[in-house]
Amino acid sequence: DAGVTQSPTHLIKTRGQQVTLRCSPKSGHDTVSWYQQALGQGPQFIFQYYEEEERQRGNFPDRFSGHQFPNYSSELNVNALLLGDSALYLCASSLLQRGEAGELFFGEGSRLTVL
Amino acid sequence: AQKVTQAQTEISVVEKEDVTLDCVYETRDTTYYLFWYKQPPSGELVFLIRRNSFDEQNEISGRYSWNFQKSTSSFNFTITASQVVDSAVYFCALNSGGYQKVTFGTGTKLQVIP
Repeated sequence: DAGVTQSPTHLIKTRGQQVTLRCSPKSGHDTVSWYQQALGQGPQFIFQYYEEEERQRGNFPDRFSGHQFPNYSSELNVNALLLGDSALYLCASSLLQRGEAGELFFGEGSRLTVL
Repeated sequence: AQKVTQAQTEISVVEKEDVTLDCVYETRDTTYYLFWYKQPPSGELVFLIRRNSFDEQNEISGRYSWNFQKSTSSFNFTITASQVVDSAVYFCALNSGGYQKVTFGTGTKLQVIP
C-alpha cells in the first residue's frame, strides 16, 4: 500500500520563475492538503482540496494555486517565485470525515530553493 | 484563532533518560483535536496520536505517553527510557472550529545521546 508520494524531491529555481509540485495521496484517501515548512519552523497550512475544489485556504497570496484531479492526486503551483518561497513543501492526504479531524499522512516533501 | 506553543526549541538527553515535551494550545472552540507528529531527518511527518477535546483520559503506547489537561490547555508528551532512534523534531498540532486546517507548533528538536 503506497503512502503519499511527492515529486520532485528537490529543485532549484530563480526569482520570478514558476514551479509545479505534485502529490499522489495514500490509497483510499480523497483529500489533499499542502503545507509550507520553512527551515526551523512548523508546517504552515496553504490550502486543502476535496472533490477537485479548494475547500479551505491559509494565509498565502494568490501566487499559490493548486489543482486536484479525478484520481485525487494534486498539484501545487507557485508563480513569480520569491526568495522567501524557499522551503520544504509537504503534501498530506486524509479521508474527509465530516465533523471530525482525521489523521494526516504526509509525504517526504519537495524541497524548493529559490536563488 | 488557533495557536500552538512549544516553548522548548531543543532538548538533549542521554539514552534511557525520560523526557517530556511540552505543548500549550489556544482555541475558543469547545470541540477540537490535538495531535503529535514526529519528523525524522528524512522530512516526512509521522503521526503519533490524536485526541479530541472531550476525551481527557491519558494514553500510553509503549514508551510513549500523553497527558492532556484542559484546565491548563496543555497536551504534553513523555518518552520513557529514550533511545537514539527517538531523535527527531516533534510537533504538536491543533485542529478546531470544524475546519480542516491544522495549526502546528514550531517544534521541539530532541537529541538522544548514546
